[in-house]
Amino acid sequence: SQQGEEDPQALSIQEGENATMNCSYKTSINNLQWYRQNSGRGLVHLILIRSNEREKHSGRLRVTLDTSKKSSSLLITASRAADTASYFCATVSPVIQGAQKLVFGQGTRLTINP
Amino acid sequence: DGGITQSPKYLFRKEGQNVTLSCEQNLNHDAMYWYRQDPGQGLRLIYYSQIVNDFQKGDIAEGYSVSREKKESFPLTVTSAQKNPTAFYLCASSITPRGLSGNTIYFGEGSWLTVV
Repeated sequence: SQQGEEDPQALSIQEGENATMNCSYKTSINNLQWYRQNSGRGLVHLILIRSNEREKHSGRLRVTLDTSKKSSSLLITASRAADTASYFCATVSPVIQGAQKLVFGQGTRLTINP
Repeated sequence: DGGITQSPKYLFRKEGQNVTLSCEQNLNHDAMYWYRQDPGQGLRLIYYSQIVNDFQKGDIAEGYSVSREKKESFPLTVTSAQKNPTAFYLCASSITPRGLSGNTIYFGEGSWLTVV
């Protein structure tokens, strides 16, 4: 079953605007990760946020985590046409036996209009 | 360049045939994974392997098989028992120091499998 649920499923904005995507999950997590996927390509890791962290930044990306609400958000500031892609959140639950089992949501399809 | 190589990029399978998707990594990662992605959907875990000669079923292992005879290789066989195999298949790997978490998972570019 899929743990993360992204909202919205699709988002279309003008270049230069900020884009916010949300992710909700159901069970306790060890960490939450955001990935980007260009159409027909593999996934690229963006940011990992641990369960004891509340906010992380990486360039134009800002991720927040609220474990009390079981939710996370990804903010992309000053969007560019090249940011057009699908964005996925993935959770890792605290059953650690070496390999991580990421559980993915269905993703948000982001379109940046020039 | 270091990374994960999947092949072939596109594969067509006749009904009743087994096909094998290749995944090779030169990142010296211990753990490897196979995910399936259907159009407009997220990824679902098929199989994963923590170490050579060991692998575990994921959430949708039925109709698939894997082997891990070498650290750098984790091929996936889609068998005729998989009733709806048309999908995008992604291989991934990560460093997995035992007892630790939070390592980045790296993905290959994927393989498209279509049943004809």
